[in-house]
Amino acid sequence: AQSVTQPDIHITVSEGASLELRCNYSYGATPYLFWYVQSPGQGLQLLLKYFSGDTLVQGIKGFEAEFKRSQSSFNLRKPSVHWSDAAEYFCAVVQMDSNYQLIWGAGTKLIIKP
Amino acid sequence: DTEVTQTPKHLVMGMTNKKSLKCEQHMGHRAMYWYKQKAKKPPELMFVYSYEKLSINESVPSRFSPECPNSSLLNLHLHALQPEDSALYLCASSQKGLAGEGATDTQYFGPGTRLTVL
Repeated sequence: AQSVTQPDIHITVSEGASLELRCNYSYGATPYLFWYVQSPGQGLQLLLKYFSGDTLVQGIKGFEAEFKRSQSSFNLRKPSVHWSDAAEYFCAVVQMDSNYQLIWGAGTKLIIKP
Repeated sequence: DTEVTQTPKHLVMGMTNKKSLKCEQHMGHRAMYWYKQKAKKPPELMFVYSYEKLSINESVPSRFSPECPNSSLLNLHLHALQPEDSALYLCASSQKGLAGEGATDTQYFGPGTRLTVL
């Protein structure tokens, strides 16, 4: 069965520092992958997605993610974080062998130090 | 424009009340979704409507009743809820529906309704 793992429950980063959030998936073929962000008490906002093509994907708010098939990873990066980036980040993969619904990672909470 | 709207933002109800959550999108999307999200957890899928027909029901208790009056609107009717049903209820929509191209569909979420059951 497909799965998504976000190994870090919390990550603390200083404002202005670079960020990398990890996401690992399990699936034999090319997965369809998403990163969403959720600010406290808010809905989920799509940051970026990967279906095929260039493995480095650019998203909104200065985020990018790189699909690495050899490592089964789709890590999210940002070169310089802002205090407003403090939020919960979810990685998700499309469930291909069933109903095309999303399988979600547990989420990573990003904390920004001033 | 990728806006999904939800009303109300907050709802407090007793276990004997009947209430409804509303969701609206005007992007011409053919699929609409209800999710339940508990604190510090990812969203859990409840229902999916594709082309205004209920296509997925993830074994949700009958005290939750979805309705899709037209392609732009999605309701969730609530009756005799339990305190453990307190959560953030999220609506989402996607362009293609489940008719063949669901794998590359992208879901867009509303801001959610924070439900508290007393």
